Amino acid sequence: DVKVTQSSRYLVKRTGEKVFLECVQDMDHENMFWYRQDPGLGLRLIYFSYDVKMKEKGDIPEGYSVSREKKERFSLILESASTNQTSMYLCASSLWDILTDTQYFGPGTRLTVL
Amino acid sequence: AQSVAQPEDQVNVAEGNPLTVKCTYSVSGNPYLFWYVQYPNRGLQFLLKYITGDNLVKGSYGFEAEFNKSQTSFHLKKPSALVSDSALYFCAVRVNRDDKIIFGKGTRLHILP
Repeated sequence: DVKVTQSSRYLVKRTGEKVFLECVQDMDHENMFWYRQDPGLGLRLIYFSYDVKMKEKGDIPEGYSVSREKKERFSLILESASTNQTSMYLCASSLWDILTDTQYFGPGTRLTVL
Repeated sequence: AQSVAQPEDQVNVAEGNPLTVKCTYSVSGNPYLFWYVQYPNRGLQFLLKYITGDNLVKGSYGFEAEFNKSQTSFHLKKPSALVSDSALYFCAVRVNRDDKIIFGKGTRLHILP
């Protein structure tokens, strides 16, 4: 089974802190994604990556950056956390075809910014 | 612009009754359509997808969905609901390489015992 793990289930940070959210997949998937999930808004794509060191902006990249130095690991970085970044963050991966392949999701990180 | 709509925020169904969770889409090309489910305190799980071929797609846990091109819909169905089907359901669509996958806002399904 594909396994996508995220470094923390719950995280509390203060405004202005730099925050790292880590995601690791163990199935040699090419594509990885970061979403945020907010009530009434569904899932919104922040960034995705289709190869090591490659990244593409999603719908809401402002205030975020990403890093993919190794194929299995995709990090989301909040350079200076703000209260409006309080949310559930979901990482996902897919095998190869970014259009048709199923995305496999991690359990999520609930981030609270005070 | 591509979009996907789930017109119902919440659906209540009695256990044993058939259930339908609605999804409609608006795209400029041929759509690829997906359903995902999120159980409480867990990440999203894939249920089924339509890429091409038979319009009726069967997926996990007894769910199925029908791709209806004329009505631009991809409703999720199950003949007999279980209490354990209570969860948040997301429909998603993508069209071509330049378009990201777009998720609906989700429909919360409550199965009443």
